[in-house]
Amino acid sequence: AQSVTQPDIHITVSEGASLELRCNYSYGATPYLFWYVQSPGQGLQLLLKYFSGDTLVQGIKGFEAEFKRSQSSFNLRKPSVHWSDAAEYFCAVGEYGNKLVFGAGTILRVKS
Amino acid sequence: NAGVTQTPKFQVLKTGQSMTLQCAQDMNHEYMSWYRQDPGMGLRLIHYSVGAGITDQGEVPNGYNVSRSTTEDFPLRLLSAAPSQTSVYFCASSRDRNSGANVLTFGAGSRLTVL
Repeated sequence: AQSVTQPDIHITVSEGASLELRCNYSYGATPYLFWYVQSPGQGLQLLLKYFSGDTLVQGIKGFEAEFKRSQSSFNLRKPSVHWSDAAEYFCAVGEYGNKLVFGAGTILRVKS
Repeated sequence: NAGVTQTPKFQVLKTGQSMTLQCAQDMNHEYMSWYRQDPGMGLRLIHYSVGAGITDQGEVPNGYNVSRSTTEDFPLRLLSAAPSQTSVYFCASSRDRNSGANVLTFGAGSRLTVL
């Protein structure tokens, strides 16, 4: 069965520091992988996606993620965090990008 | 384009009441789905549809009913609400069921409280 693990429930980083959010997945075939962000009281916004090809993918707001098949991971990174990045981040895996299975989410706090 | 529109945004029900959460998309998407979001559990798939007249169960379908009479609309019905159905519900759609290039577009969510 498909599953997604986000090991960190909460992460706190200082503004301007680098960020890495971890995501590990279990999937029987080549996965379609996503990162979404949710600000408080809002819907989900797509940050980036991986379907095939280059394993380092760029997204919006300066985020990037690297697909590592050998480690079943798809970690999200940002070189310098801004206060506006405080939100909840979800990793997801699915077939054709539709029937997504989501991780439990990581809440990012940014301290000034 | 409005995208994916959900109504109502907020709803309070008493145990045993029924209600329908509405979802409409204006992007001519084939695929539509409903998720529920609970703290610490991420989003879980309730039901989905790959086209008008076709629906199927997701991970947590019990207590919910769906139908897809048109391409645009995909309502979610709670037949007899229970406190365990207190949650935030998201409707999502995508262009095509068989293409690897799908990306889900989410609605803004409907917060339901069952007393």
